[in-house]
Amino acid sequence: GAVVSQHPSWVICKSGTSVKIECRSLDFQATTMFWYRQFPKQSLMLMATSNEGSKATYEQGVEKDKFLINHASLTLSTLTVTSAHPEDSSFYICSADTGTSGYEQYFGPGTRLTVT
Amino acid sequence: AQTVTQSQPEMSVQEAETVTLSCTYDTSESDYYLFWYKQPPSRQMILVIRQEAYKQQNATENRFSVNFQKAAKSFSLKISDSQLGDAAMYFCAYRSVRGGSEKLVFGKGTKLTVNP
Repeated sequence: GAVVSQHPSWVICKSGTSVKIECRSLDFQATTMFWYRQFPKQSLMLMATSNEGSKATYEQGVEKDKFLINHASLTLSTLTVTSAHPEDSSFYICSADTGTSGYEQYFGPGTRLTVT
Repeated sequence: AQTVTQSQPEMSVQEAETVTLSCTYDTSESDYYLFWYKQPPSRQMILVIRQEAYKQQNATENRFSVNFQKAAKSFSLKISDSQLGDAAMYFCAYRSVRGGSEKLVFGKGTKLTVNP
């Protein structure tokens, strides 16, 4: 149980375009989802926390207008990178919280974004 | 704000031997959760072990065990009978239990190499 999927697993886009990444909890309802960014050989950096039906809470330094997060249902959150630039190339990971289970977060497999 | 420190960027161990990864944290809270996550080359985050701060007994999961020293704010991970599949990045993480779905605070990680 407690499986989180992400789609796509990897994406290449041209500079200036937008790209959407989906995060789904497959077998549970996720009241809260988290979006992380990870650079090579570094730790996970939290970008934002999203709760179903409300606006996301962004971490300091994360551009809200560039990284649009929508948590429209208890099983789906999306991250849209708008007007992407090469510096946005990274590995993006989502996680979901069941609200129980010992405060564990369940992680998606990640999405590798390359902006050319 | 809470912080998590992993002082060993890299560690290596011989197959079948035992290795201990260090983690210290800083918090003013009395109740919280601590986690060790493993990130293999696939980059899928995998929960290794979880410790609840109010429990004095150290958590154990098969070959993985922790040494939780609450007063010293130390949370080390011991891997016994190391296997080649244990090679990965290991992240120590802290999570508050106050008020619902709190974010995970990660350390910078320790890269573990297992030598055959």
